[in-house]
Amino acid sequence: QSALTQPASVSGSPGQSITISCTGTSSDVESYNLVSWYQQHPGKAPKLMIYEGSKRPSGVSNRFSGSKSGNTASLTISGLQAEDEADYYCCSYADNVVFGGGTKLTVL
Amino acid sequence: QVQLVESGGGVVQPGGSLRLSCAASGFTFSSYGMHWVRQAPGKGLEWVAFIRYDGTYKYYADSVRGRFTISRDNSKNTLYLQMNSLRAEDTAVYYCAKDFFPIVVLPSTWFDPWGQGTLVTVSS
Repeated sequence: QSALTQPASVSGSPGQSITISCTGTSSDVESYNLVSWYQQHPGKAPKLMIYEGSKRPSGVSNRFSGSKSGNTASLTISGLQAEDEADYYCCSYADNVVFGGGTKLTVL
Repeated sequence: QVQLVESGGGVVQPGGSLRLSCAASGFTFSSYGMHWVRQAPGKGLEWVAFIRYDGTYKYYADSVRGRFTISRDNSKNTLYLQMNSLRAEDTAVYYCAKDFFPIVVLPSTWFDPWGQGTLVTVSS
């Protein structure tokens, strides 16, 4: 069982916005500003999309944004595109590094 | 550009050993902490281990502590993962990944980039 809880799946239509939640505890998400988000397409390596909760690495579209409230971090993707269809993982620190169970995003 | 290339995966019997390597290029390897992360077939990501940029500190997931050893050779720009006492549940694609920022003392949670992965199958 993952220390971080994500919904198994979310879906949206092209152009819409979706939000993926990542719920931890006061010992991880809430205590550290260390949440990151990864995108993984089938058969590919994960790609860093958000770090320090809300910062985007160079080259990542500004359609991707991150936020945090209490013990829940969120990844929002606006203006959904077909290529956004992938698995998304949150990651945080709680004694050690922990990942969420992953969320499959389907673009309808 | 930054490149990480894993090797050493394969099929091994339960209880056996395997050593994975990760060849790094395109950046100052000795300035960055490195991680191993694995993914069982059809499953999510699991962080395995971290080694500080200078090799002085190592951190492990509870599931592998005492069986796996992370190491690095900064003169060869190479990261290693020695895996002993392998179990069926260790079957996974193993990725090496670079810390996003240099000279990080403790494990971070932002890894960029990742290698393409190498498959380890533990089966009799």
